[in-house]
Amino acid sequence: DVKVTQSSRYLVKRTGEKVFLECVQDMDHENMFWYRQDPGLGLRLIYFSYDVKMKEKGDIPEGYSVSREKKERFSLILESASTNQTSMYLCASSSPGHSLSYEQYFGPGTRLTVT
Amino acid sequence: GDSVTQMEGPVTLSEEAFLTINCTYTATGYPSLFWYVQYPGEGLQLLLKATKADDKGSNKGFEATYRKETTSFHLEKGSVQVSDSAVYFCALSQTVQGAQKLVFGQGTRLTINP
Repeated sequence: DVKVTQSSRYLVKRTGEKVFLECVQDMDHENMFWYRQDPGLGLRLIYFSYDVKMKEKGDIPEGYSVSREKKERFSLILESASTNQTSMYLCASSSPGHSLSYEQYFGPGTRLTVT
Repeated sequence: GDSVTQMEGPVTLSEEAFLTINCTYTATGYPSLFWYVQYPGEGLQLLLKATKADDKGSNKGFEATYRKETTSFHLEKGSVQVSDSAVYFCALSQTVQGAQKLVFGQGTRLTINP
């Protein structure tokens, strides 16, 4: 069975802390994505990666960075957490290739609260 | 840029009612279209998809038809159940740097009462 796991379901951090969110997939997918989900805004893409050590900015990359050292693992980093980064963070992965019909598989999400 | 607009929620229906959730899109080229569902406490999962005009996607009693002339992909189900209560997201795919990227609508929360 396809599986995307995220390191924490709930996380509470203080303003200014460095925060790491980890995502692991077991499907040998080359593409991995980080989204944030906010009420009324749907999902917005933060960063994605189409290969190890490769990364591309999504629609809202400011305040975030990512790391992809191994194919199965994609980390989202908040260098200095701020209260406006309080949100649900979702990781996803998809099959390699250029087809526009490939499904993305999502993890359960991490609800981050920054106080 | 590409965008997806869904009908505003929340939507509340009684069991066995007919469901329509509207979705329209703006895109260059010919994207694939998707409906994802998020059950309480879970991540998103693919409900159905359509890859070209006039295609109909279907799953679990839900259907949606890719209408290029009206740029729409409305979700329908003839008789909803309490277990269909969830948040539904319409999305389109676009290629960026050779990788497929999804653009999501804002989501529609559906509650079904027994």
